Parts: sequence; C-alpha cells; structure tokens
Amino acid sequence: LAKTTQPISMDSYEGQEVNITCSHNNIATNDYITWYQQFPSQGPRFIIQGYKTKVTNEVASLFIPADRKSSTLSLPRVSLSDTAVYYCLVGPSGGGADGLTFGKGTHLIIQP
Amino acid sequence: DTAVSQTPKYLVTQMGNDKSIKCEQNLGHDTMYWYKQDSKKFLKIMFSYNNKELIINETVPNRFSPKSPDKAHLNLHINSLELGDSAVYFCASSQDGAGGITDTQYFGPGTRLTVL
Repeated sequence: LAKTTQPISMDSYEGQEVNITCSHNNIATNDYITWYQQFPSQGPRFIIQGYKTKVTNEVASLFIPADRKSSTLSLPRVSLSDTAVYYCLVGPSGGGADGLTFGKGTHLIIQP
Repeated sequence: DTAVSQTPKYLVTQMGNDKSIKCEQNLGHDTMYWYKQDSKKFLKIMFSYNNKELIINETVPNRFSPKSPDKAHLNLHINSLELGDSAVYFCASSQDGAGGITDTQYFGPGTRLTVL
C-alpha cells in the first residue's frame, strides 16, 4: 500500500500558479495517482488522475516524473474559490480499498 | 438535481441510540461507498457496494451495518452509538463495478453526526 506525504498547508495569491507536490516513494507498478479537492462542508470532488508523464484537463495539470515517486498538481492562475483541501491518492485500479484513504491533504489558502 | 444526496445533513443523538443515514444517487452508477471523516480530517473508506453486493468492508465495528435495497441506495445503520462515532459521514458513488482508485467517485454533501 503506497503511502503519500503532502504539505499540511500552502498559501498563495490570486492569479498565481500553485504547485502542490505529493511524495509516494513506495508506489507500485500498477498504482495510479489521483487528486481530489474538498471545500468546507462538502464532499471531495475529483480533479485529475494520471499514471506517468503529464496529464492536463480544464482544471489542472498533473506532472509525474519518470520514477513516479512523486507527483505535482499544478493549478494555473488560482482564484479565491480555489481555497480548499487537496488530497493525493495512490493505489491500484480494479477494486479494493487500496488507495481509498484520503489522509489529511494539503490545505491551500488563496489570498487576494 | 443533486447527483448524490444524503439525509439528514445533521444528526445529534445520545449515546446508546440507534440511527440511520440514507444515501441516494441518480447517476446510474454501479458502486456506492461510505466514508468517515473524523475530527482530524482523515477521510477513510468504510464500505463499498456493487449492485447491492458488499465488495469492501474495512475494519469497522459491527455496530455499523450498510444496507443496499437497490443499486441507487446505500443506507448506513449504526447501533448503540458511541462518542467516538461523532464524525462526518460521506456517501459516494462511481460508475465502474470494479471500484477502486481509478473509478471517479462522486461524493454526497456529508452527514455530520454528533453523539452526546
């Protein structure tokens, strides 16, 4: 079971690019990396998922180096509404509870 | 229309009582989950059902019993409530019957349970 480590909190300002890095040194060959976002008093919401290199969608980019021991969630031009907790999950596809523990996440605070 | 809904949103009760939390999803998904988020904000899976069948059952006291009358509903019944059960409980659903991390999960708004 791959364990993840993220910073507890980060601060940034509106309009900046924010990069949140997650360490997962024990990632297995069949593990994927998934990021979720959680606003206060709401359930988590899927942001992005990847296996290797780079994945981009309308919300964020996910950078995964060749050794896959870490990953970086990149949020371009953040706004106040991006203030939330961001969770990095690592686990295999195909079922089971592996990877379905969200941990404490990174509390991102965006200031004006 | 809310994709994943839970009732009630807040639940305050005394120790020893029995209570239920209901969850419904209108996404046509095959798999539903219950998670518990404690005061330290850890969000941990409790159960997962696929088409009314239990596929994940983490180390949860047997006072917690999930019930799935159909694949759109997964209710959580808790017997003999204890102080440590106070938490926010989230229901979620995903499309793929296999479940797991690669299935995008859609979460409900949560139910805040307070046991006095």
